[in-house]
Amino acid sequence: NAGVMQNPRHLVRRRGQEARLRCSPMKGHSHVYWYRQLPEEGLKFMVYLQKENIIDESGMPKERFSAEFPKEGPSILRIQQVVRGDSAAYFCASSHAGQGPYEQYFGPGTRLTVT
Amino acid sequence: DAKTTQPPSMDCAEGRAANLPCNHSTISGNEYVYWYRQIHSQGPQYIIHGLKNNETNEMASLIITEDRKSSTLILPHATLRDTAVYYCIVRVGSSNTGKLIFGQGTTLQVKP
Repeated sequence: NAGVMQNPRHLVRRRGQEARLRCSPMKGHSHVYWYRQLPEEGLKFMVYLQKENIIDESGMPKERFSAEFPKEGPSILRIQQVVRGDSAAYFCASSHAGQGPYEQYFGPGTRLTVT
Repeated sequence: DAKTTQPPSMDCAEGRAANLPCNHSTISGNEYVYWYRQIHSQGPQYIIHGLKNNETNEMASLIITEDRKSSTLILPHATLRDTAVYYCIVRVGSSNTGKLIFGQGTTLQVKP
């Protein structure tokens, strides 16, 4: 059973460009979570999605960031007009939708560098 | 979700048991204890979880005190590859409430 997949693993963007990060959950999982880890800091929750629905986006910056999890295809975290402060590791996790207690399985992350 | 307290760092000799404590004195009756670890900026890895009974899997054992106010993660025979940051997280397990709240964790250094 393949794990959570994220691509690209490394992404370099110039200030003002857009960054698109993709996450394919584990087979059978329909819940996706995005977390961000700034350099030398801990993991911070950003957003929680189920298929076609955003359930909790309390950790998402209000501007420039958006996330989706369409009926078909991977979940996408989109950052518009990137700034240097967006440089971080972005991790995706997934969990199943059946009975609890819903442990989350993480992908290897995408390391975004903004130059 | 209840708050957890962990020591910032610990050392362990290779081949010995590593015992990582966690305090969660405000835990509620329906909250589970989860343990994750992060090895050198890789994605966090799920280790184990429990509600009130002790649990064991191929990676570790989880001992939860009878009053559930604290727990200990045990790696029975630590190897150099177990060097990582270990996170103890408490959250409701009976429904999918989403986010995990990561604290600072315990940095475990396994030494030869």
